[in-house]
Amino acid sequence: NAGVTQTPKFRVLKTGQSMTLLCAQDMNHEYMYWYRQDPGMGLRLIHYSVGEGTTAKGEVPDGYNVSRLKKQNFLLGLESAAPSQTSVYFCASSYTGLTSGANVLTFGAGSRLTVL
Amino acid sequence: TQLLEQSPQFLSIQEGENLTVYCNSSSVFSSLQWYRQEPGEGPVLLVTVVTGGEVKKLKRLTFQFGDARKDSSLHITAAQTGDTGLYLCAGPRRSSGGSNYKLTFGKGTLLTVNP
Repeated sequence: NAGVTQTPKFRVLKTGQSMTLLCAQDMNHEYMYWYRQDPGMGLRLIHYSVGEGTTAKGEVPDGYNVSRLKKQNFLLGLESAAPSQTSVYFCASSYTGLTSGANVLTFGAGSRLTVL
Repeated sequence: TQLLEQSPQFLSIQEGENLTVYCNSSSVFSSLQWYRQEPGEGPVLLVTVVTGGEVKKLKRLTFQFGDARKDSSLHITAAQTGDTGLYLCAGPRRSSGGSNYKLTFGKGTLLTVNP
């Protein structure tokens, strides 16, 4: 099983450029998430989706847009990149959002984005 | 806001030593998870603890959930260089709808085990 696959793994952008990060999962998971990871800040949730065709804002959504047109794919878009968006981006998925117990995430390997 | 604070932030030890890292909160969590992240990779789940006072062992790793379900610890016995990585704790974040589909992560403990 591939699990969660992110593309591209590395990207360098100039300020103001746009780009899309693609996340694909083959586990038939309902829930998908985009996090960013910065030194000293931990993992912060950008946007998430609880099912095909739905999206919701996380902790740090400004400057990003997402789409979940197909259950297996979750796209993260930057319309006008800024240096503050230089980060490592992780996509994750989970089978369900449980009302009790744990919601276990499977992560991709990350996409390192540099905005000059 | 349910914050998870991890300590220490950095830990560098020699192979063979024992260590404990901590994950604390002022809030009660229904469960806590521990993930390990190796350089260039995404976090990978190590364990989930659900019951207050629960202790789980994974080879040389021992995880404990506090009785009040506000804290957790990870103890590694006889650390090996392969244990090097970022250890993250995470707990479900309450939502208005009641389903715990978002996780709050601590900032992690970066462990380096030197040969």
